[in-house]
Order: sequence, then C-alpha cells, then structure tokens
Amino acid sequence: DIQMTQSPSAMSASVGDRVTITCRASQGISNYLAWFQQKPGKVPKRLIYAASSLQSGVPSRFSGSGSGTEFTLTISSLQPEDFATYYCLQHNSYPPTFGGGTKVEIK
Amino acid sequence: EVQLVQSGAEVKKPGESLKISCKGSGYSFTSYWIGWVRQMPGKGLEWMGIIYPGDSDTRYSPSFQGQVTISADKSISTAYLQWSSLKASDTAMYYCARKEVGATTVNYFDYWGQGTLVTVSS
Repeated sequence: DIQMTQSPSAMSASVGDRVTITCRASQGISNYLAWFQQKPGKVPKRLIYAASSLQSGVPSRFSGSGSGTEFTLTISSLQPEDFATYYCLQHNSYPPTFGGGTKVEIK
Repeated sequence: EVQLVQSGAEVKKPGESLKISCKGSGYSFTSYWIGWVRQMPGKGLEWMGIIYPGDSDTRYSPSFQGQVTISADKSISTAYLQWSSLKASDTAMYYCARKEVGATTVNYFDYWGQGTLVTVSS
C-alpha cells in the first residue's frame, strides 16, 4: 500500500495567517491526489482534485500544488470557517489511502 | 441535483448482521463507482472498498477484505455495505462517496453521503 504521511498532524493558527499542509507519498502517485476538509460532525468536502484543481464553489484562498510524492495544500489567508481537519487522499493505485489528517485550530 | 442518501443510524449487538445502504440520484448511477469510507470515533478517514454498479466489480482494501461485503443493485441505484457478524470495533461512522468511471479519472469522491452511524454494543 502507498503510505500518505501528512504533516503537521495539528496546528494552531490565527485568522489571516497563511497555512501550509503537506502530504508525502511513499511512492510516486503522479497527480492523483485530492484534499478534503471535514468540520466536526460534518461530511468531508472535497476542496482540491488532481493535486491542484480547485473544486467548484471552493474559495480561491485554497490552493494545491505538487506532483509525484510531495503535495501541499495552502490556505492563503485563514478565515474563521476554515478551522477544521484536512485530509489528503491518493488514488493512483489500490488501495487508495488517506493521510492521517491535519487539525487546524484557533490560536 | 446529485445526492447520495444513506440509511439511518443503527444500534446492534456483537454477533448480529447488518446491511446499510447508499442511494444515488441526480446522475447516471452506472457512470460512477461507489466507495465506502470508515471513520471511527475521533479518528481519521479509512478507505474500505469500492463497487462499480454496472457489473458489480468490487475492490477491497486488504484491511477490510473478508470483514465486510460491498454490493449494489443498479435497478434501484443503491449500493450496500454489510457485515455478517458485527464486533464492537465496527462502531464508526460510515460514508459512501462516488468516483467517476475511468482508470485515469481525477474525479474521485466529489459527492458524499451524509453518513451512517453504526454502534455495536452489548
């Protein structure tokens, strides 16, 4: 199985901060990577697909980059509604695997 | 409007069987696979398996192979996740989500069901 190592596992940030979350794949996955946001008690929501394509309706402060084994999700200016847990998912090969999650908390 | 609507919360005893469902609407059901994701209390997301309703081609994560069965009935646009003998450790939220047909698709898990909470307790 491909391991997805997500970092950090948790972080504190302030409104307006630039936030970067990283996912590293144990082997190359091309651009078959998606990012999801999950708020407490809610359904995961896809933010980014194909590593860098923004899901329709998602604010432009979210962006994704990377290819191969290293990927980043960036929130350019953190907003109050962005406090949540973020997961990456690789779907290059079976079984698809999620990263362990990054919880973004209010500083 | 695309929707995946899951069956309601379940409370079961260890050893009991269970089948939960995920009904798709608002799109061509056989143009997408349906996958299942587990989230144990306070934990992360785990990919369990996926089925193509067109011909019931199914793939499982090794972690879940033999522990659950995924099936589908394309005539009623519904996918299922079932257990033959539940354990306390099966207590979790279970989500379904869709993936577009095509080996090279990047359209993976764009829509999700609302989740089904399964509680297994004696």
